[in-house]
Amino acid sequence: EVKLEESGGGLVQPGGSMKLSCVASGFTFSNYWMNWVRQSPEKGLEWVAEIRLKSNNYATHYAESVKGRFTISRDDSKSSVYLQMNNLRAEDTGIYYCTRGYDYFAYWGQGTLVTVPA
Amino acid sequence: DIQMTQSPASLSASVGETVTITCRASENIYSYLAWYQQKQGKSPQLLVYNAKTLAEGVPSRFSGSGSGTQFSLKINSLQPEDFGSYYCQHHYGTPYTFGGGTKLEIK
Repeated sequence: EVKLEESGGGLVQPGGSMKLSCVASGFTFSNYWMNWVRQSPEKGLEWVAEIRLKSNNYATHYAESVKGRFTISRDDSKSSVYLQMNNLRAEDTGIYYCTRGYDYFAYWGQGTLVTVPA
Repeated sequence: DIQMTQSPASLSASVGETVTITCRASENIYSYLAWYQQKQGKSPQLLVYNAKTLAEGVPSRFSGSGSGTQFSLKINSLQPEDFGSYYCQHHYGTPYTFGGGTKLEIK
C-alpha cells in the first residue's frame, strides 16, 4: 500500500522559516517524481514544487509564487522528500500535501497545516 | 501560466442522476488533463488522467472526455459516495494548475 506521511507544519510568524518532511512507503521511492501541492480557501489547490529523479539530476521546478523562497529536496535512502520554506508570508497559509506522480498526482498524503498569521 | 476554468462552481443533484462537469484550458493542453475528487476533510483522489483514462479502482460510472481546451467529467447514476468537490488539473508541464473546483451536493 502506498503511504505518504507529512510532518513539520504549525504556526510560524511572517518572515520565518519551516521545513516540511514527507516519508513514503509502499513503493520504490527513487523511481518517482515527487511534488508538494497546497490548498487554501482563498487560492484553492496550488501546485508548489516538483523534484525529479537522480537520472534527471534531481531537477526541480517551482511555482512562481514560491521561487527563491522554497526549496524542495529528497533523500532516496530515507524515502523522504522535504520542503524548506523561508521568508514565509500570510499567503503561504494552507494545507501542504506531499504527492507522488510524474505530472498528475496519483497519491496524496493526509496533509500538514501551515499557518502564517497576517 | 495555463488557466483552468471549471463550471459550474456548484451543482445539486439526486442519487441516480447523471451529471457533467466541464473544464476549459486557456491554451491547448492536448489530452494532458486530470480530474480529482475531494471529500470534506480528506485529501484529493485521482479519478482520471490523460483526459479519459480512469485511475485504478475508479468506478466505470465516471468518464472523462475532451482534448485541446475543452474537457468534461461525466458521472452516470450518481451514488451517495460521489458527493464532494471535483477539480481538474492540467499536466502539460510545469507550472501545473488546477481549476477552481465544482462542489457536488445532494439535492
